[in-house]
Amino acid sequence: GAVVSQHPSRVICKSGTSVKIECRSLDFQATTMFWYRQFPKKSLMLMATSNEGSKATYEQGVEKDKFLINHASLTLSTLTVTSAHPEDSSFYICSARKEDRVGNQPQHFGDGTRLSIL
Amino acid sequence: EDKVVQSPLSLVVHEGDTVTLNCSYEVTNFRSLLWYKQEKKAPTFLFMLTSSGIEKKSGRLSSILDKKELFSILNITATQTGDSAVYLCAVLYGGATNKLIFGTGTLLAVQP
Repeated sequence: GAVVSQHPSRVICKSGTSVKIECRSLDFQATTMFWYRQFPKKSLMLMATSNEGSKATYEQGVEKDKFLINHASLTLSTLTVTSAHPEDSSFYICSARKEDRVGNQPQHFGDGTRLSIL
Repeated sequence: EDKVVQSPLSLVVHEGDTVTLNCSYEVTNFRSLLWYKQEKKAPTFLFMLTSSGIEKKSGRLSSILDKKELFSILNITATQTGDSAVYLCAVLYGGATNKLIFGTGTLLAVQP
């Protein structure tokens, strides 16, 4: 249980292109999903919290107009990197947590998307 | 500023050795501490620790939390080459936000 699917796993595109990444919880519903970014040999940095049916909450320093998040259903969140540039190249990972009243469920991660902007 | 610090940054051992990975934290509104294993792709969940002094075990892996001293350790006994990975420590904090703050990880290499 608690499987999170992320697609695509790898994107290579030209500068100026917008790229959409999907994150799905396959066997549970998630009102909240999380988007992280990971640079080589660095840890995961939280970019934003995706909330089903409402606006995402962005961490300090993350441009909301650059990284558009949509959480239209209880099993799907999307991250769109708009007008991507080489400095946006990174490993993007989503996570989701099974809902429970106590809050004892860990976050489970998708396999990540390696984005390379040429 | 909230932070999670892991040590060592990297470690090379031989198969059969026992290793101990460390994680210390300074986080307001601490709720739980989690350990993840990251190989080539995304992190996979190992343990979630909420109470002090209660050891959690899964096969050759075990972990314990000390909320007074603000640290946790992850032990791996009889290491195998398949244990080679980055081990990430993360702290769940805040109220309803369920946010995680991650340490920089420990890169473990197990040589045959």
